[in-house]
Amino acid sequence: DAGITQSPRHKVTETGTPVTLRCHQTENHRYMYWYRQDPGHGLRLIHYSYGVKDTDKGEVSDGYSVSRSKTEDFLLTLESATSSQTSVYFCAISENERGRDTEAFFGQGTRLTVV
Amino acid sequence: SQQGEEDPQALSIQEGENATMNCSYKTSINNLQWYRQNSGRGLVHLILIRSNEREKHSGRLRVTLDTSKKSSSLLITASRAADTASYFCATGFSGGYNKLIFGAGTRLAVHP
Repeated sequence: DAGITQSPRHKVTETGTPVTLRCHQTENHRYMYWYRQDPGHGLRLIHYSYGVKDTDKGEVSDGYSVSRSKTEDFLLTLESATSSQTSVYFCAISENERGRDTEAFFGQGTRLTVV
Repeated sequence: SQQGEEDPQALSIQEGENATMNCSYKTSINNLQWYRQNSGRGLVHLILIRSNEREKHSGRLRVTLDTSKKSSSLLITASRAADTASYFCATGFSGGYNKLIFGAGTRLAVHP
């Protein structure tokens, strides 16, 4: 398995509180992504990063922010958690070998419940 | 809206039968990838097919891509109970920073 660690693996938080999820990789891959997975929707891209301090929005970025201060770490912050953000969050990494897109490797996921 | 749409949403077959899943997408792509997810786990990459390829094989997997119809299919031959999982297609875009957009997936159940 690719060296991707998500923390925490499970979290229950109250509405209105800020929450930060961490993704740590040991593969030195350039690209990192945050997805959320909900029944009936598959995976939806929240934010992604193409380098240190280089990030961009995905399909469902409202209410989320990200930061990448080091190659190995990509943080996802829910600024003020809402019940609609209850979901399973997946981090992924990928590389671009010789300019050709390659597959993504996924972490094990973080199950977040907002009550 | 999501780029890829899988069909069917759910598929139930017996061991030894073939399973075919289809994926349609809306815009031009650089590549199309298929992933598998066992219940409660992360996704695992199965196969990648580039936009200039029409067919690709990997073990019991066969993937086709028709860019004129904006569709792909994944065939699993001689299915096993261990193939029971959800399968997702994901589209990658030219100059899109390796960004992948996923469909909603097909749930495959293979019965012994």
